[in-house]
Amino acid sequence: AQSVTQLGSHVSVSEGALVLLRCNYSSSVPPYLFWYVQYPNQGLQLLLKYTTGATLVKGINGFEAEFKKSETSFHLTKPSAHMSDAAEYFCAVTYPYNFNKFYFGSGTKLNVKP
Amino acid sequence: DTAVSQTPKYLVTQMGNDKSIKCEQNLGHDTMYWYKQDSKKFLKIMFSYNNKELIINETVPNRFSPKSPDKAHLNLHINSLELGDSAVYFCASSQDSGGNEQFFGPGTRLTVL
Repeated sequence: AQSVTQLGSHVSVSEGALVLLRCNYSSSVPPYLFWYVQYPNQGLQLLLKYTTGATLVKGINGFEAEFKKSETSFHLTKPSAHMSDAAEYFCAVTYPYNFNKFYFGSGTKLNVKP
Repeated sequence: DTAVSQTPKYLVTQMGNDKSIKCEQNLGHDTMYWYKQDSKKFLKIMFSYNNKELIINETVPNRFSPKSPDKAHLNLHINSLELGDSAVYFCASSQDSGGNEQFFGPGTRLTVL
């Protein structure tokens, strides 16, 4: 069955430090991949997505992610964390054979320390 | 301009009651979704509609009945509410079902007492 794994339900970094949030999918078929951010009491907002083409994708707020097929990964990074980055982050996938369905990871809560 | 809106934002009710949550999108999208987010933040799809037609029904109890009067609206009616229905319900929409990103509403926090 298709699934998305986000390693680390909580990640804590200092302001200005590198942010690395991990996402792995389990499928032999390359999916379309998405990262969403959820601020408290709000809906999910798209950060970035990968469909085809260049494997390094840049998103909003200085985030980027790289699709690595050999590792079935799509980790999210940001060189320098800002206090406003504190939120819940969700990785999601969908597959060409059933685009109607999105599979979401369990989320990673990012805490940014001053 | 709100892209995907939901009403109400908060809903507190007693077990056994019937309630509805409304969703509207002004993005001109063809596909709309309902998700349930539990207390552990796990997000699970419940329903998906494309041009008013149901295309996904993810083993959701019959007490949950979505209705799409037109492609800009997807409402969720819940009969005989149970304690386990307490969650945040998100409506979302996408341009079509071709792998495009989904746009989410602000959520409706349902509390069943």
